[in-house]
Amino acid sequence: KAGVTQTPRYLIKTRGQQVTLSCSPISGHRSVSWYQQTPGQGLQFLFEYFSETQRNKGNFPGRFSGRQFSNSRSEMNVSTLELGDSALYLCASSLWGGTSRSPGTDTQYFGPGTRLTVL
Amino acid sequence: GQQVMQIPQYQHVQEGEDFTTYCNSSTTLSNIQWYKQRPGGHPVFLIQLVKSGEVKKQKRLTFQFGEAKKNSSLHITATQTTDVGTYFCAGDNSGGGADGLTFGKGTHLIIQP
Repeated sequence: KAGVTQTPRYLIKTRGQQVTLSCSPISGHRSVSWYQQTPGQGLQFLFEYFSETQRNKGNFPGRFSGRQFSNSRSEMNVSTLELGDSALYLCASSLWGGTSRSPGTDTQYFGPGTRLTVL
Repeated sequence: GQQVMQIPQYQHVQEGEDFTTYCNSSTTLSNIQWYKQRPGGHPVFLIQLVKSGEVKKQKRLTFQFGEAKKNSSLHITATQTTDVGTYFCAGDNSGGGADGLTFGKGTHLIIQP
């Protein structure tokens, strides 16, 4: 079974631009979660999508948004990029995710990540 | 919001020594998960603990969940160079809030041969 794939793997943007990252979950998985990983803040939860609906959202500004398609593929978008948005963006898929209140009670399979650099 | 603290941040050990990382949550957890991330890689799921006082073993790795379901530990016996990486705990607070899975900042295990 193919793992979680993320595209692109590397991205360089300048401040003020916007970016769209893509994640294809493991076949059959319906939950996709997005995380931002930085050396200083570690892994921070962005949001989770399940059956095309955002089920949970972390504490990030509205510049960060996402969506999920009927085939469970997910995209996240960051508008008006700031230098501090430079990070590794990881998506994780799971079969069901968690309860309706939080993900993670089901095993999360992470993709390789997209390394975003904002200049 | 929920906070998950993990210590130590870095741990240097000689190959063959034991290693332990500790995880503490500010709230009672419904379950806790552990992940390992190799340098340059992505987090890989290791185990999930659900029950109060639960202990699980995977070869040289022993995972414990505290009685109050607010803390957890991972112990590696006789470390090997393949154990190098960052170990994360992740707390799941299904009881409320929309924080999702809260990760600790991880413990970087560095092994000196």
